[in-house]
Amino acid sequence: QSALTQPASVSGSPGQSITISCTGTSSDVGGAYKYVSWYQQHPGKAPKLMIFDVSNRPSGVSNRFSGSKSGNTASLTISGLQAEDEADYYCSSYTSSSTSWVFGGGTKLTVL
Amino acid sequence: EVQLVESGGGLVQPGGSLRLSCVASGFAFSSFSMSWVRQAPGKGLEWVSYISSTSSTIYYADSVKGRFTISRDNARNSLYLQMNSLRAEDTAVYYCARRGSLYEAAGSLDYWGQGTLVTVSS
Repeated sequence: QSALTQPASVSGSPGQSITISCTGTSSDVGGAYKYVSWYQQHPGKAPKLMIFDVSNRPSGVSNRFSGSKSGNTASLTISGLQAEDEADYYCSSYTSSSTSWVFGGGTKLTVL
Repeated sequence: EVQLVESGGGLVQPGGSLRLSCVASGFAFSSFSMSWVRQAPGKGLEWVSYISSTSSTIYYADSVKGRFTISRDNARNSLYLQMNSLRAEDTAVYYCARRGSLYEAAGSLDYWGQGTLVTVSS
């Protein structure tokens, strides 16, 4: 499986909204199962699950984070940007046939 | 509170071996599948291996197949990764992560440990 494609970096000012894209294939992101996830990782810290099953938020994750999917591309939108949102973000797709995960290369979000 | 604590990382020579451990607490470890994910310095995440709750199903990434072995001891709430024939490209922080339950986030890794650094160098 090849890595999913994400932009290397995005930026936005506090209060603005940004969207990070994640492009795969019909075998992963665009597959029948909606097993796309998004993770946030601050420097030196462990990844944290922010979105699962394309658009669901785990308990405790701010509703400023939302996810969607169209065809082979998934998206993470962060609204009302805050300084604490500055981090690396990774998308991931789960493949049930081989019980494996493929990740995107990561996107560095800078809050200006 | 769910906690995953890895240990066992360190400096090892190419061709050497290392065994990583991950101790879980705060949840019914024996009911959850687990995975190892690694991150090379300054790089992205790479899934390494998966083991089901009863150890009946195990998968590996092609990059480690035949060299790494995943296992678990549910009585000790522990997950392991035996790494043999280590190469420079195996240098990374290794995270243990819990797969979500069948009822929520089954296709995600919902909790992660802080990671343990493995450095393969002569």
